[in-house]
Amino acid sequence: EAGVAQSPRYKIIEKRQSVAFWCNPISGHATLYWYQQILGQGPKLLIQFQNNGVVDDSQLPKDRFSAERLKGVDSTLKIQPAKLEDSAVYLCASSPFRGPISGANVLTFGAGSRLTVL
Amino acid sequence: GQQLNQSPQSMFIQEGEDVSMNCTSSSIFNTWLWYKQEPGEGPVLLIALYKAGELTSNGRLTAQFGITRKDSFLNISASIPSDVGIYFCAGQYSNYQLIWGAGTKLIIKP
Repeated sequence: EAGVAQSPRYKIIEKRQSVAFWCNPISGHATLYWYQQILGQGPKLLIQFQNNGVVDDSQLPKDRFSAERLKGVDSTLKIQPAKLEDSAVYLCASSPFRGPISGANVLTFGAGSRLTVL
Repeated sequence: GQQLNQSPQSMFIQEGEDVSMNCTSSSIFNTWLWYKQEPGEGPVLLIALYKAGELTSNGRLTAQFGITRKDSFLNISASIPSDVGIYFCAGQYSNYQLIWGAGTKLIIKP
């Protein structure tokens, strides 16, 4: 099966500019995640979608970050305006959702989009 | 936010050596996952553990789900150069929320 597709792979912008990242999950995967990974750290969840509804966006800086998953398939993450501390890799992941079954929710990650804010 | 304590932070090893790393938490998890991340790539799943006490192997990798459900261990036997990378543990709650460790960076001595 095709993996999780993300674009662009790299983006360099100046602070206060805007940027958007796109993710196409594995076909049939109901759950989609956006993670932020700062150099030297583990991934930090920004937002989790179940189909086209938001399950968890408690760590999303909503004053500048927004995400949508129209039609429950691909998703876009936007940052506006960007700050220096937003420099990171933005990882998209997807997983099937089969309810409360052991082992049902293993995540598959895309290669990530590396953002540099100058 | 909640965190896992993953150790060591980094390891310098000789090719052929065995490697051990672990994650501990004050929380109980339903699932433990071990991922490996190479430069410029997203994390790739190595092993998933679903039951307390479970011991699972994937080639030269062996991972265990701690009996208390608060810890997990990953061992790599006879390390080779392609084992280089960052290894992450992640604990999953019953509501599917994932908590990630900070990673263990594996470096092979030349």
